[in-house]
Amino acid sequence: IQLTQSPSSLSASVGDRVTITCRASQGISTYLSWYQQEPGKAPRLLIYAASTLQSGVPSRFSGSGSGTDFTLTISSLQPEDFATYYCQQLSSYPLTFGGGTKVEIK
Amino acid sequence: EVQLLESGGGLVQPGGSLRLSCAASGFTFSGYSMTWVRQAPGKGLEWVSVISGSDGVTKYADPVEGRFTISRDNSKNTLHLQMNSLRAEDTAVYYCAKCRSGCQFNGVDYWGQGTLVTVAA
Repeated sequence: IQLTQSPSSLSASVGDRVTITCRASQGISTYLSWYQQEPGKAPRLLIYAASTLQSGVPSRFSGSGSGTDFTLTISSLQPEDFATYYCQQLSSYPLTFGGGTKVEIK
Repeated sequence: EVQLLESGGGLVQPGGSLRLSCAASGFTFSGYSMTWVRQAPGKGLEWVSVISGSDGVTKYADPVEGRFTISRDNSKNTLHLQMNSLRAEDTAVYYCAKCRSGCQFNGVDYWGQGTLVTVAA
């Protein structure tokens, strides 16, 4: 199963609402996770089961979608949110990742 | 607190072998599937392999099938990745990660800090 993330990069300002999409090549129900990766660091789980917020993750992050189309939204971008975001499908092996979306400071 | 500490990375020649280890703590190790994910320099994340918690069922990505072997020692809370016939394209940071339960359908909730493997002459 291939995952296509868009955009591959974006520039935004603190306080902006940011939306990242992830499209699967076939239906995956809600078997999708979102991760954040800051430069030089390990990824961090943000969202699982497409829309469930991982414990400790700020509520400005939210996820939605099912089937083939998914969205990660940051309601009000904060300085610590400038990072790369990845989706991962968990429906079948291999557990593929999207290509990533780099969120940069405008 | 869940902690995952990888070790064993380094420089190896093409065709060589390397064994990565991941020491786990802060959770009941045998109760969870564990997985390896890698990231080539400047590139995205690539899933490598997974092993189930108690019965040791394994899965591999096509690029490493037949060359890499994932294993675990539940008595020592340790995960391993034996990498043979290494190629330049295996150069990456290798992350050990804990699955939320099984990895399929549930995904990963904790990651180690990663260990760098460089395959070069």
